[in-house]
Amino acid sequence: AQSVSQHNHHVILSEAASLELGCNYSYGGTVNLFWYVQYPGQHLQLLLKYFSGDPLVKGIKGFEAEFIKSKFSFNLRKPSVQWSDTAEYFCAVKPSGNTPLVFGKGTRLSVIA
Amino acid sequence: SQTIHQWPATLVQPVGSPLSLECTVEGTSNPNLYWYRQAAGRGLQLLFYSVGIGQISSEVPQNLSASRPQDRQFILSSKKLLLSDSGFYLCASGTLEKLFFGSGTQLSVL
Repeated sequence: AQSVSQHNHHVILSEAASLELGCNYSYGGTVNLFWYVQYPGQHLQLLLKYFSGDPLVKGIKGFEAEFIKSKFSFNLRKPSVQWSDTAEYFCAVKPSGNTPLVFGKGTRLSVIA
Repeated sequence: SQTIHQWPATLVQPVGSPLSLECTVEGTSNPNLYWYRQAAGRGLQLLFYSVGIGQISSEVPQNLSASRPQDRQFILSSKKLLLSDSGFYLCASGTLEKLFFGSGTQLSVL
């Protein structure tokens, strides 16, 4: 079945460590890609998105993601995490056509001092 | 930007009872509307989406249903709740560019 896979369920990092959260999808053709974030007690909100052009996308708060078409991947990265990055991160894919946005299962990031 | 109103915030219901969760949207017209469920360890699962009044698409077979009686109103219902219906339900509105989410309803079926 076509899907969006986030490989890590829970990631624990120390402050200043580098972050990479994996996201792979199985849809063929043109896709639009997103990362959403849910901070504790807050709504889900858009972190960054890729539609076309430069496959390296810059988002808010120092996050970036790279679209690698050959690997069907859209991994999220941040060079140096902060305690305030503790949140749940969701990768989402919008396949072409009428298929709506599909989310991965999410990765919980805990940043410790 | 859009604002999504969801209520109630928390709900405890016995097995077999009916359910009605309401979602209304401000700040836009003719939005695409979505119901998602976030169950423990299972991530964000799309349940229903609607592109217009009376138009509902179901993504997963279940005992839940959705209705869109007005342009900016989206209702999630059940005639008889199951234990497995427990979870966190999120209403969302938006376009391909960006989704806006409500604050969610935590449903516990006992």
